[in-house]
This record gives sequence, C-alpha cells and structure tokens, in this order.
Amino acid sequence: KAGVTQTPRYLIKTRGQQVTLSCSPISGHRSVSWYQQTPGQGLQFLFEYFSETQRNKGNFPGRFSGRQFSNSRSEMNVSTLELGDSALYLCASSSTTASDTQYFGPGTRLTVL
Amino acid sequence: GESVGLHLPTLSVQEGDNSIINCAYSNSASDYFIWYKQESGKGPQFIIDIRSNMDKRQGQRVTVLLNKTVKHLSLQIAATQPGDSAVYFCAEVRGSQGNLIFGKGTKLSVKP
Repeated sequence: KAGVTQTPRYLIKTRGQQVTLSCSPISGHRSVSWYQQTPGQGLQFLFEYFSETQRNKGNFPGRFSGRQFSNSRSEMNVSTLELGDSALYLCASSSTTASDTQYFGPGTRLTVL
Repeated sequence: GESVGLHLPTLSVQEGDNSIINCAYSNSASDYFIWYKQESGKGPQFIIDIRSNMDKRQGQRVTVLLNKTVKHLSLQIAATQPGDSAVYFCAEVRGSQGNLIFGKGTKLSVKP
C-alpha cells in the first residue's frame, strides 16, 4: 500500500505571496492532519480534516487554511506569506480519527524569501 | 502550561549498546502516546505506541515504558545500530479529536 504523498517537495516563495500544498493520504484513510515543523517550535499541529470537514484546529492565524476533497486528498493554503512561515509542512493520515495511528508523508519544505 | 517534553536533547551511544530516550508529559488525561523516528529529510515514522491503561509494550528491538505516577515515558532501543541514528519524538494524543502534541525531540547518534 502506498504511503502518504505530498507535493511539491520543495517550494520557494517571496513574502506576500500565497502557497498551496497538497497531500494524498494512504488509501482508505479518511483523516488528514497537517503539522508545521521548525527548528525553534518543533512540530506543531495546524488542523485536521475528516470527510471534507475541519474537525480540529491548532493555534495558527487565519492565513493558514485547508480543505479536504471527497477522495480524502487534502490541501493547505497559506496566504500573505511571512518569513516566519518557512518550515517543513507535514501531512499525516489515519484511518478514521486522529487518535488512530497517524502516518506521515515526507513533507513540503517551504522557504519564504 | 501543559506540555510534552524530552529530558535530553542529544544522546550518543556506541553501536550494539542499548539506548534509552526519555519523555515527560504533564496532562494526566492523555490516553495515548506514540514514539516517532525522524531521519534527515524525511517525515516522522511511527515506531511504537502505548495506551494509558498499559505500562509496557514491546516491539521489534524497541520497548516503551509508561509510568503514569510520575508522568514519564521512555523508549528503549536494544542493540542500537547506525540506522537508528535519527531524532526521536514522543507525542501525546489529547482530547476526543486526538491531535498529536509533540515533544521537542532527542537526537540519537550511534557511533560505529
């Protein structure tokens, strides 16, 4: 069974731009969670989607948003990029709830210049 | 505030020795804990998990111990190998929605 895939793997943007990242969960998984990883803050939860609905949200500003499609694929969007948004963005999928074991993708490395 | 943290940021061991990575948590209501391994350039990889109604769980070369009295979690790796070199995170599952709260991570270096 294929693992979680994320595209693109690397991205360079400038301040003020917006970006969309994509995540395809493991086949059959319906829960998708997003995390931001930085050297200073570590791994921080962004939000979780299940059946196209956001079920849980972390403590991030409204510039961070996401959505989930009927095939469970998910996208996250960051608008008006700031330098501090440079990070590794990780997507994880689990079968039904986020409390089931979450399996991570390789991440998208976003650099904001 | 409530947090999940690690006692040591780095750990260096000799190949073949056993490794012990520790983690402290503060939310006694958490009911599920997971250890992840993250190699350079990769996403976190699930290693082993434990429910709060257990105090020990064993996998292949790994054992997780949970001490609820002192809110302490540990990961033991037997016969550590160079391929075990990575950053190890403990994560706590909180709430009915179950989002993960990660510790800061411990970097394990294995000397040949």
